Amino acid sequence: AQSVTQLDSQVPVFEEAPVELRCNYSSSVSVYLFWYVQYPNQGLQLLLKYLSGSTLVESINGFEAEFNKSQTSFHLRKPSVHISDTAEYFCAVSERNQGGKLIFGQGTELSVKP
Amino acid sequence: EAGVVQSPRYKIIEKKQPVAFWCNPISGHNTLYWYLQNLGQGPELLIRYENEEAVDDSQLPKDRFSAERLKGVDSTLKIQPAELGDSAVYLCASSLGGTSGGDTQYFGPGTRLTVL
Repeated sequence: AQSVTQLDSQVPVFEEAPVELRCNYSSSVSVYLFWYVQYPNQGLQLLLKYLSGSTLVESINGFEAEFNKSQTSFHLRKPSVHISDTAEYFCAVSERNQGGKLIFGQGTELSVKP
Repeated sequence: EAGVVQSPRYKIIEKKQPVAFWCNPISGHNTLYWYLQNLGQGPELLIRYENEEAVDDSQLPKDRFSAERLKGVDSTLKIQPAELGDSAVYLCASSLGGTSGGDTQYFGPGTRLTVL
């Protein structure tokens, strides 16, 4: 069965510092990988996803994540965070060719302080 | 383009009462999902529709939960009777469809249910 583990429930950082949100997954089949973000009082939004090809994927607001098949990881990074990045971040996987069931991690609360 | 619409946004009921949640997906999206999100947890799939057909309802507690998607557009999720443990956020999402699993799912704001 698939599972997703987000290793940190809370990550406090100062503005302009780098950040890494860790995600590991377990699956016996090929998967697609996603990062969703939930800003306060808003719905979940897709941040980025890995489907195939280059293992490094980027979002429009400076986040990037790298698919590492050998370590079954999909960590999210940003070199310099802003106050506006404060949100809950969810890592998720779905099995290839099995519809769209997303398995989510528990979430990581990123808190950016001035 | 309008996003996924859910109503109500908040609902407070007494235990053993019935409750219903409504979802209007993005126009043209064939696949609709209902997720349950408990406090401090990630969402968990309850049911997935392809058009009007429920293709994955394995995680839906069928003794008290039911769902329908008439005409393959709007959907309603019902709980009858509600229990204290049903207090959570109920999320609706939609996507263009297909079986590849790589579709982006677009989420609504959710309905926060409190059962007293």
